[in-house]
Amino acid sequence: SAVISQKPSRDICQRGTSLTIQCQVDSQVTMMFWYRQQPGQSLTLIATANQGSEATYESGFVIDKFPISRPNLTFSTLTVSNMSPEDSSIYLCSVVTAENIQYFGAGTRLSVL
Amino acid sequence: KQEVTQIPAALSVPEGENLVLNCSFTDSAIYNLQWFRQDPGKGLTSLLLIQSSQREQTSGRLNASLDKSSGRSTLYIAASQPGDSATYLCAVTWISSGSARQLTFGSGTQLTVLP
Repeated sequence: SAVISQKPSRDICQRGTSLTIQCQVDSQVTMMFWYRQQPGQSLTLIATANQGSEATYESGFVIDKFPISRPNLTFSTLTVSNMSPEDSSIYLCSVVTAENIQYFGAGTRLSVL
Repeated sequence: KQEVTQIPAALSVPEGENLVLNCSFTDSAIYNLQWFRQDPGKGLTSLLLIQSSQREQTSGRLNASLDKSSGRSTLYIAASQPGDSATYLCAVTWISSGSARQLTFGSGTQLTVLP
């Protein structure tokens, strides 16, 4: 199994500012992912965080808006840049273990005023 | 492109009832299928994982089945309790056109178990 610690759990931010979300895993994992869940919606994959190289972004998401760091096999950050009210969502960090089971952090609930 | 559909979108049942949640997917070339539970405003908890070679998995009062050929999975909850109230999400792991594994979620079934 994998235990994921995600911080902050929630935040209220002003338009135009940026927020960095941290994800810490209790074991080394190859694959880490960042998801967004907009109100009343299911999860949408933002990007795959790759250790030692740039993240791989899904269609509709760009590095300038959602820069990601992956300095080692247990840690990643997602920054939501130049925020607008449309960025209000739950952001979730996820990992896949060697057994192909996907685990999620508790999420960061972001509200942008 | 993989599409995952869950029916019904919402379900309300009295305590003690047995119930079935449905999940269908369009591309049968999957690695596995997972059922998750999400409580309001919270992250996801993995309930059951079924590998593509398996037909079902059981954990306590939960039983999940997989029929890969027809692109369907069901989550059976026996003797439902108010604590089962949550949104249940189905997700499939598959290979995208770029040969990368992807996880695609259904939109979820919001379950309410009434005391």
